[in-house]
Amino acid sequence: GQNIDQPTEMTATEGAIVQINCTYQTSGFNGLFWYQQHAGEAPTFLSYNVLDGLEEKGRFSSFLSRSKGYSYLLLKELQMKDSASYLCAAMDSNYQLIWGAGTKLIIKP
Amino acid sequence: ETGVTQTPRHLVMGMTNKKSLKCEQHLGHNAMYWYKQSAKKPLELMFVYSLEERVENNSVPSRFSPECPNSSHLFLHLHTLQPEDSALYLCASSQEGGQGGEKLFFGSGTQLSVL
Repeated sequence: GQNIDQPTEMTATEGAIVQINCTYQTSGFNGLFWYQQHAGEAPTFLSYNVLDGLEEKGRFSSFLSRSKGYSYLLLKELQMKDSASYLCAAMDSNYQLIWGAGTKLIIKP
Repeated sequence: ETGVTQTPRHLVMGMTNKKSLKCEQHLGHNAMYWYKQSAKKPLELMFVYSLEERVENNSVPSRFSPECPNSSHLFLHLHTLQPEDSALYLCASSQEGGQGGEKLFFGSGTQLSVL
């Protein structure tokens, strides 16, 4: 079956760095997405990786290893506003998105 | 503001009621989606409309009935719901090109409680 695993909850300190991991098992692969969802708000797109390697966008970076079925989202210089849920989703060979249950990130002062 | 607007934001209904959720996208996209989001569970895709035709129906109970009158509007008609249908219902849109990588734009959702 198809599956996405990511931690349920993580805690980090303001100003620090945190890495949210995601492992996936899909029938074929057409890329991996990360979305951010603040409580009571819409999920918003953060990143898309289809090739191996690290892509950096300001304080946020996303990494993909296709051979390992593994991705991570790296958040630097954490701010209180980064407290949110982070959703990992892999696209299979039929362009269907397989979603993880999300990682709730709590930032403490 | 994501360009996708959902109403109402909150809805409480009894099991015998009939209600409708509304979604409107202002992005000129050609695909629209309904997702169900339950606490600590992955997003569940319910329906997909591409160019106003339904292309996906993931074994959703018939008490949920979608309608897509045009490429900008999407409705989810609800009737005879069960308490386990209580969840956040998210609408999304995208511009499909068949190449993968098309990101979704979500609305803020309707938080539904069935009593």
